[in-house]
Amino acid sequence: NAGVTQTPKFRVLKTGQSMTLLCAQDMNHEYMYWYRQDPGMGLRLIHYSVGEGTTAKGEVPDGYNVSRLKKQNFLLGLESAAPSQTSVYFCASRFSYEQYFGPGTRLTVT
Amino acid sequence: RKEVEQDPGPFNVPEGATVAFNCTYSNSASQSFFWYRQDCRKEPKLLMSVYSSGNEDGRFTAQLNRASQYISLLIRDSKLSDSATYLCVVNEDTGRRALTFGSGTRLQVQP
Repeated sequence: NAGVTQTPKFRVLKTGQSMTLLCAQDMNHEYMYWYRQDPGMGLRLIHYSVGEGTTAKGEVPDGYNVSRLKKQNFLLGLESAAPSQTSVYFCASRFSYEQYFGPGTRLTVT
Repeated sequence: RKEVEQDPGPFNVPEGATVAFNCTYSNSASQSFFWYRQDCRKEPKLLMSVYSSGNEDGRFTAQLNRASQYISLLIRDSKLSDSATYLCVVNEDTGRRALTFGSGTRLQVQP
């Protein structure tokens, strides 16, 4: 039982490049989330999903897209990376009121 | 105004000390409250839920004051291993079932 996993762990992008972050969970949770964490800002919700095939916007969705084609996977895409997207990205899944987080992806956009 | 506000610290305390953190939240309709712990460069993990009646888990005690909209965490007999950032977290019980996080209070326990 791996819990929540994220790939990659680190990535450096140039402005304008695209990439996809993968989140996988093996706990059969319906709810999944993508957050970003910046110094002094706390975790902010980018997008979330309440079940397979559904996605919705969080508080900071601009510049990101998501897909949830399979229940266990939640993908976060950056179509054209910008330096403002330099951050640590956490995926989480939820059971009851507890959220289980993945180890994070550290993304730097130069 | 941030929805969940915390003193960022750092709180530097000696081993064995008692330390308390407070947090305030702005949405009076918030339903559930939590403290998460985040170690340096790691993911957040649930420390404990917070109930109106207060709850205790070993050396940790959490309290909720709905009238004043604040949440507290008390750590007794601090250990070196308690050094971390403590995140105050609120569930507004909307359809998205997402949590709202404070930016965290950093604790450094010194030998």
